[in-house]
Amino acid sequence: EIVLTQSPGTLSLSPGERATLSCRASQSVSSSFLAWYQQKPGQAPRLLFYGTSTRVTGIPDRFSGSGSGTDFTLTISRLEPEDFAVYYCQQYGSSPQTFGLGTKVEIK
Amino acid sequence: QVQLEESGPGLVKPSQTLSLTCTVSGGSISSGNYYWSWIRQPPGKGLEWIGYIYHSGSAHTNPSLESRVTISVDTSKNQFSLKLSSVTAADTAVYYCARGGTVGDYVGYWGQGTLVTVSS
Repeated sequence: EIVLTQSPGTLSLSPGERATLSCRASQSVSSSFLAWYQQKPGQAPRLLFYGTSTRVTGIPDRFSGSGSGTDFTLTISRLEPEDFAVYYCQQYGSSPQTFGLGTKVEIK
Repeated sequence: QVQLEESGPGLVKPSQTLSLTCTVSGGSISSGNYYWSWIRQPPGKGLEWIGYIYHSGSAHTNPSLESRVTISVDTSKNQFSLKLSSVTAADTAVYYCARGGTVGDYVGYWGQGTLVTVSS
């Protein structure tokens, strides 16, 4: 099974700052089948990106996804108040599909 | 717009079987080349994929849970279901049903989730 390691565990930033979230896989993710989800307290995860960098309709362009192989990044260029949440990466290129443990982006 | 809703008991006793149903609305469970998944999240922890099923009834489960999991589908009711046997406190989690989750397909739609607590 592919293990996804997300770092940092917690990111303390102020609104307007740039957030860079890392997701590292224990082996290469097939066909860049890597997704990012945002989860707020009491809510289900929401898909942000699939295929590493394809943004879901309605997701603001301050969010971007990049990477390949074993190293992937989610970047939020300028944090808005509604962006403070937990972010998960997921690989769906091989079974079992696995998730990282998440990065919490909190208000500094 | 596809919507999913989980239903089932919120409290299950240890060693018993957890049973949940997901009702799909806004589209047929049989249309399109979609798989339907169960994913869980223990309180304060990360997400774990449990398994998925196709409308034909073909299912695949996470090897870590395979011996205890049964996933089934009822196309006439536009529902799919999860049974998890021999539960322990470690199975306490929010259980989500979702569309997608097979190899090559991301999870695009999620139910709101239902908390199942395992306790005597």
